[in-house]
Amino acid sequence: NAGVTQTPKFRILKIGQSMTLQCTQDMNHNYMYWYRQDPGMGLKLIYYSVGAGITDKGEVPNGYNVSRSTTEDFPLRLELAAPSQTSVYFCASSYPLGSRSSGNTIYFGEGSWLTVV
Amino acid sequence: EDQVTQSPEALRLQEGESSSLNCSYTVSGLRGLFWYRQDPGKGPEFLFTLYSAGEEKEKERLKATLTKKESFLHITAPKPEDSATYLCAVQARRVGGATNKLIFGTGTLLAVQP
Repeated sequence: NAGVTQTPKFRILKIGQSMTLQCTQDMNHNYMYWYRQDPGMGLKLIYYSVGAGITDKGEVPNGYNVSRSTTEDFPLRLELAAPSQTSVYFCASSYPLGSRSSGNTIYFGEGSWLTVV
Repeated sequence: EDQVTQSPEALRLQEGESSSLNCSYTVSGLRGLFWYRQDPGKGPEFLFTLYSAGEEKEKERLKATLTKKESFLHITAPKPEDSATYLCAVQARRVGGATNKLIFGTGTLLAVQP
């Protein structure tokens, strides 16, 4: 079972460079999310999407962009990398939360480690 | 403002030494409280969802409980393989329906020594 797949696993960027973190899920979930995780700060929501063609900002969207052209894919774009974007990025997906069915939760990928120097 | 606080930040136990992790929350209306386990270099892995005060769920050596202000993750007779970071998150209720966004705590790093 693939679940949520993120690439690349590790990347080093220079300040001002751009890159895209790829994310794909094979669970037919309508909701997809991008989180970043910094030491001692917990997971912070960057962007999320409720379906193809629909995206919205989370808590920390500045410096990032997303698109959702298909149900499966939700890439995260960093346009002008800054040291403050050094972090671990997690893509996730889910069905609408709220029903009490088993497995009603957000499923995470393995993470992408990004360093901006 | 919705907030989730986990304590302690780190906990070291001897194998077999039972203990509890705490997750206190402040939300305008709780729709669900989630517990995840995160191993180093991995993404969070789902453990439990609790929906209402008084609810309890168990899985192997773990038991999660929920009150109106906090949740506890009880670990009974832990083993070294239980070592991980345990994350708590809440889903808030909003006017017009629940939000699908989870608010996470900063986690408790558990180390179980043999």
